[in-house]
Amino acid sequence: LAKTTQPISMDSYEGQEVNITCSHNNIATNDYITWYQQFPSQGPRFIIQGYKTKVTNEVASLFIPADRKSSTLSLPRVSLSDTAVYYCLVGDARKGKSTFGDGTTLTVKP
Amino acid sequence: GAGVSQSPSNKVTEKGKDVELRCDPISGHTALYWYRQSLGQGLEFLIYFQGNSAPDKSGLPSDRFSAERTGGSVSTLTIQRTQQEDSAVYLCASSQAGTNLQGEQFFGPGTRLTVL
Repeated sequence: LAKTTQPISMDSYEGQEVNITCSHNNIATNDYITWYQQFPSQGPRFIIQGYKTKVTNEVASLFIPADRKSSTLSLPRVSLSDTAVYYCLVGDARKGKSTFGDGTTLTVKP
Repeated sequence: GAGVSQSPSNKVTEKGKDVELRCDPISGHTALYWYRQSLGQGLEFLIYFQGNSAPDKSGLPSDRFSAERTGGSVSTLTIQRTQQEDSAVYLCASSQAGTNLQGEQFFGPGTRLTVL
């Protein structure tokens, strides 16, 4: 299973763009990259998923370079409500076992 | 629609007792996961069910832990002879991940287990 490494914490201010990078050097060919957001006392919530290049949805973008050994979650114009822990998950969902990283605690300040 | 539900939401037990935690996945989801999250930590994979296939139990920390999924729907995680280190939030997730899908996981609210 691919091991993931993320920064432990990040600080930002309202209205700024935040980029969180996850390293996954031993990602396998069939692995996808998925990001989740978790608020205190809640289960994680899906943000975005990708395999290569760039994926964008209504809340975030995911950038994956050609070698796929890392990925960057981009949150545009963060607000206080984006304060949460963000997890990078790398794996093949068809094989089941999911390895979450340690997560990045994002704190958005006014 | 209904999401993933878990019960109980909180469970306090004494060391040495057995506990059962229940998960009701989203209807139609074939995949079901159990995770454990200790205070301030990340998610630790425990077990994975996919349809009628044999579950992936590789994450279970000891033989005191077991899980079953009846009829491809409801799942029960059982911890026997609980220890204080078992105290954590136990999260269940379901997804449509299968042969050709990389489905997102939908998480329940978790069961907070406290072993005294």
